[in-house]
Amino acid sequence: EVQLVESGGGLVQPGGSLRLSCAASGFTFLTYPMHWVRLAPGKGLEYVSGINSDGDRTYYATSVKGRFTVSRDNSKNTLYLQMGSLRTEDMAVYYCARGRATYYYDNWGQGILVTVSS
Amino acid sequence: QSVLTQPPSVSAAPGQKVTISCSGSSSNIGNNYVSWYQQLPGTAPKLLIYDNDKRPSGIPDRFSGSKSGTSATLGITGLQTGDEADYYCGTWDSSLSAWVFGGGTKLTVL
Repeated sequence: EVQLVESGGGLVQPGGSLRLSCAASGFTFLTYPMHWVRLAPGKGLEYVSGINSDGDRTYYATSVKGRFTVSRDNSKNTLYLQMGSLRTEDMAVYYCARGRATYYYDNWGQGILVTVSS
Repeated sequence: QSVLTQPPSVSAAPGQKVTISCSGSSSNIGNNYVSWYQQLPGTAPKLLIYDNDKRPSGIPDRFSGSKSGTSATLGITGLQTGDEADYYCGTWDSSLSAWVFGGGTKLTVL
């Protein structure tokens, strides 16, 4: 069974940093692209970032480019999202998701809450 | 403002049929596969439709997808109260080099 478990969320002040992790199990992690998607209060799903299976190609939404960094450790079956210069508009539930070749996500984690507030 | 346009809400009675539209452009829906997701309150999104019209195993055939030109449609027949959720379309945008979602549609089963 595919499992994706996010961790690392919490309360951070504006301008602060946070690192999210997504532990994967139940599948061959190193063969799949992985992504981060968020859901802000009262808003719809928003694509945040993604990384290919090898980790040598990354993608970012315009809203987070230059502030967030996605990475993966295939030896640990773990996806990361390093978030910096956090803004109140970054406050959301962050989901990690397994990507597929024709641009869809077939498995999602349960989500982790990031609160940005002073 | 989302790249893909969905109606904010739709509603129908139990047992009825509803369709949810997703409108885009040639840089996204027009040249890429569309997927659909269901998000029940307080839960993670769930894949309903991929590659425009394919259902993952376990998704009942009450759910269907189609695409024509730069628009896609999700259809749900035999509506149940348990179908009340937010529904999102998604695809790749070649101009933005990023994945994009619609703004979401809240389905109410009256």
